[in-house]
Amino acid sequence: DIQMTQSPSSLSASVGDRVTITCQASQDISNYLNWYQQKPGKAPKLLIYDAFNLETGVPSRFSGSGSGTDFTFTISSLQPEDIATYYCQHYDNLPPMYTFGQGTKLEIK
Amino acid sequence: EVQLVQSGAEVKKPGESLKISCKASGYSFSSYWIAWVRQMPGQGLEWMGLIYPADSDTKYSPSFEGQVTISVDKSLRTAYLQWSSLKASDTAMYFCARPRLNDLLTGCPFWGQGTLVTVSS
Repeated sequence: DIQMTQSPSSLSASVGDRVTITCQASQDISNYLNWYQQKPGKAPKLLIYDAFNLETGVPSRFSGSGSGTDFTFTISSLQPEDIATYYCQHYDNLPPMYTFGQGTKLEIK
Repeated sequence: EVQLVQSGAEVKKPGESLKISCKASGYSFSSYWIAWVRQMPGQGLEWMGLIYPADSDTKYSPSFEGQVTISVDKSLRTAYLQWSSLKASDTAMYFCARPRLNDLLTGCPFWGQGTLVTVSS
């Protein structure tokens, strides 16, 4: 089974800062890596799919990169409304399994 | 507009049975997988399983196989998650979600609002 290792588990940053979260797969997953934002009490929201494609309506300060085993999620200029927990996620066919990273809780400094 | 509307919060006792639902609208229900995801209090997201409404093909996470049953009623455009005997450790928020495409690789842009299940004696 493919394991997804996300870091850091928590992060404190100031408004306007550039924020980076990483996700590492235990084996090559090409670019099949998605990123979600979850605010307390709400359903996750898909921000990035296929490593770097921005979901419709998502602000351009969010971006993703990477392929193979190493992926990065970036917020170019942190806004107060970005306070949330972020998850990476991959789907594997063999065996069928959605795997989420452990999550990164982002707080304002 | 794609919408997934889940049933309301439940409070149950250990050993009781429960079936929660996820009603879909705005798309061809039979043509897309539906996933169930668990989130225990203060914890991360855990994939439970998938069902394909057209033929009820179901795939379970090994962690949940035998612990829950996923089903659909195509006539009602509704997916279900059920337990035959709840445990306190089943206390969690449960989400249904629909992937963008049926290859399941490009993530789930559509989510229900979540159903909070509390199991307590």
